[in-house]
Amino acid sequence: NAGVMQNPRHLVRRRGQEARLRCSPMKGHSHVYWYRQLPEEGLKFMVYLQKENIIDESGMPKERFSAEFPKEGPSILRIQQVVRGDSAAYFCASSPLGGGNQPQHFGDGTRLSIL
Amino acid sequence: GENVEQHPSTLSVQEGDSAVIKCTYSDSASNYFPWYKQELGKRPQLIIDIRSNVGEKKDQRIAVTLNKTAKHFSLHITETQPEDSAVYFCAASKEGYSTLTFGKGTMLLVSP
Repeated sequence: NAGVMQNPRHLVRRRGQEARLRCSPMKGHSHVYWYRQLPEEGLKFMVYLQKENIIDESGMPKERFSAEFPKEGPSILRIQQVVRGDSAAYFCASSPLGGGNQPQHFGDGTRLSIL
Repeated sequence: GENVEQHPSTLSVQEGDSAVIKCTYSDSASNYFPWYKQELGKRPQLIIDIRSNVGEKKDQRIAVTLNKTAKHFSLHITETQPEDSAVYFCAASKEGYSTLTFGKGTMLLVSP
């Protein structure tokens, strides 16, 4: 049973370019969460999605960041016009059910570096 | 919103000793408290969790205790081994709100 799959593992972008991060949840999981981790920091919630719906995006910056989880295919976290401060590890997690109190299982993350 | 504080930020123990990591939370409605272990460059892995209807939960060398009145919960690792060395994160969430609020992590170093 494959776990949460994220790609790419490492992504290098120059300032002003776009970054696209992909996440395929565990089989049978329909709830996806994105977190950002800065060096020596905890994980900060960004956005929570179900298929074709954004449930909670309260942790996501209002500009340049967007997320989707289409009916078919992986969830995508998109960062437009990247800046140096976007350099971080971005983790995706999934759970079979939503509504709180559900174990979330994480992927290996995408390490984004901005030159 | 919820705020989770975690202490200590670093913890060094000798192999075989016990290790205790403590977390406090601010939102009295929180009722789910997972703990994650993250090795360098790896994914956070769920190692144990506890819900507010119990005060303690054990899984081999790992135990978690919860004090709802004081709003704090703790991770206890007994008979530590070098492979326990990692960063440990506590988190909290509440019913109807799926997102987790994490503490800043504790780097545990177990020396042989």
